[in-house]
Amino acid sequence: AQRVTQPEKLLSVFKGAPVELKCNYSYSGSPELFWYVQYSRQRLQLLLRHISRESIKGFTADLNKGETSFHLKKPFAQEEDSAMYYCALTGHNQGGKLIFGQGTELSVKP
Amino acid sequence: DAMVIQNPRYQVTQFGKPVTLSCSQTLNHNVMYWYQQKSSQAPKLLFHYYDKDFNNEADTPDNFQSRRPNTSFCFLDIRSPGLGDAAMYLCATSRGTGESPLHFGNGTRLTVT
Repeated sequence: AQRVTQPEKLLSVFKGAPVELKCNYSYSGSPELFWYVQYSRQRLQLLLRHISRESIKGFTADLNKGETSFHLKKPFAQEEDSAMYYCALTGHNQGGKLIFGQGTELSVKP
Repeated sequence: DAMVIQNPRYQVTQFGKPVTLSCSQTLNHNVMYWYQQKSSQAPKLLFHYYDKDFNNEADTPDNFQSRRPNTSFCFLDIRSPGLGDAAMYLCATSRGTGESPLHFGNGTRLTVT
């Protein structure tokens, strides 16, 4: 079965601390993995995707096929990073439709 | 410069009274999706259109229907809303290839009284 698991509902850190939001997936095939973010009162938007191998707003995520994980990391959290983060998965022939994890709320305290 | 627009932002309907949510896009994307998101849960795909082809998810209740009269517009019809249908409804678009990101609207929050 296709599934995305984000084990933490809430992650609270202090400004400047490292952040890791966990994401594990289950998929038979080659998945495309994404991180989406939703800031307060804003729409859900793409943060980054594994295929791009880029760093966005200081965040990176590496696809680990052996551990079936796609954890989101940032070395130094900022207050403006506080948001809801969703890990999502699609398959190569899925027409782009996404399966979302439950989401992790990141709270960065001053 | 909103590219995926959902109207209204908030919708209140009565139990059993049909309601329609609307979504429009200016991106000319092939695919339009409807997701349902209940409180503290992941967005759940209801169905999507790839151009004119309708793709229903297996577990989407018959109570939920959709129409896409043209590339720009897509509607979600709830024929007989129940209290359990109260949720945020998210419309999204994409080019439809695996690596294409989804572009979301702001959502419509549906309340059923």
